[in-house]
Amino acid sequence: DTAVSQTPKYLVTQMGNDKSIKCEQNLGHDTMYWYKQDSKKFLKIMFSYNNKELIINETVPNRFSPKSPDKAHLNLHINSLELGDSAVYFCASSQAGLNTGELFFGEGSRLTVL
Amino acid sequence: GEDVEQSLFLSVREGDSSVINCTYTDSSSTYLYWYKQEPGAGLQLLTYIFSNMDMKQDQRLTVLLNKKDKHLSLRIADTQTGDSAIYFCAESWGYGNKLVFGAGTILRVKS
Repeated sequence: DTAVSQTPKYLVTQMGNDKSIKCEQNLGHDTMYWYKQDSKKFLKIMFSYNNKELIINETVPNRFSPKSPDKAHLNLHINSLELGDSAVYFCASSQAGLNTGELFFGEGSRLTVL
Repeated sequence: GEDVEQSLFLSVREGDSSVINCTYTDSSSTYLYWYKQEPGAGLQLLTYIFSNMDMKQDQRLTVLLNKKDKHLSLRIADTQTGDSAIYFCAESWGYGNKLVFGAGTILRVKS
């Protein structure tokens, strides 16, 4: 029933490891996003895909690699995790051309790097 | 460059009005948004305003937009304890419906 779902909700891992976060939306939207929220609650866009094509790629280390197998899924893979990667990662979706441009957010995946 | 600024904290008593302020930079933003984030949850759209409007009212919420000063505000009438959350102002920026968010205003409602 959940519109935008992310897994896992919590992830605790060691520095240097590689991890993935998955996102799926059942709203039929054609655009998906990854946002990072740091400990001060500041929210910043990382990537956006429209119909499986990368359209927004902010200044993010290339250790972060998004993958969109289809327009309903957008996964985030992170290599060689660092302490500064600890944050809450939010997936979101929207429908391009929709008047309001509203983003629908998942509940977030809290990543803690030790 | 893209920048959205908000005051970081607001504390009000239950039943009072709350006013959260925001300034933004992109005068070409078509829509401006207010999102609400409750503890441990994702962001949910609270309301939005089209850039050619000065005001929008939706039940207890009133949004005021001053395009000249690039100032946006959210007024919550009769604030309830359930309104305690973080409120994010956002503007649409450039291509791809990229939303740029402010740092969020923590609203605390005291009973």
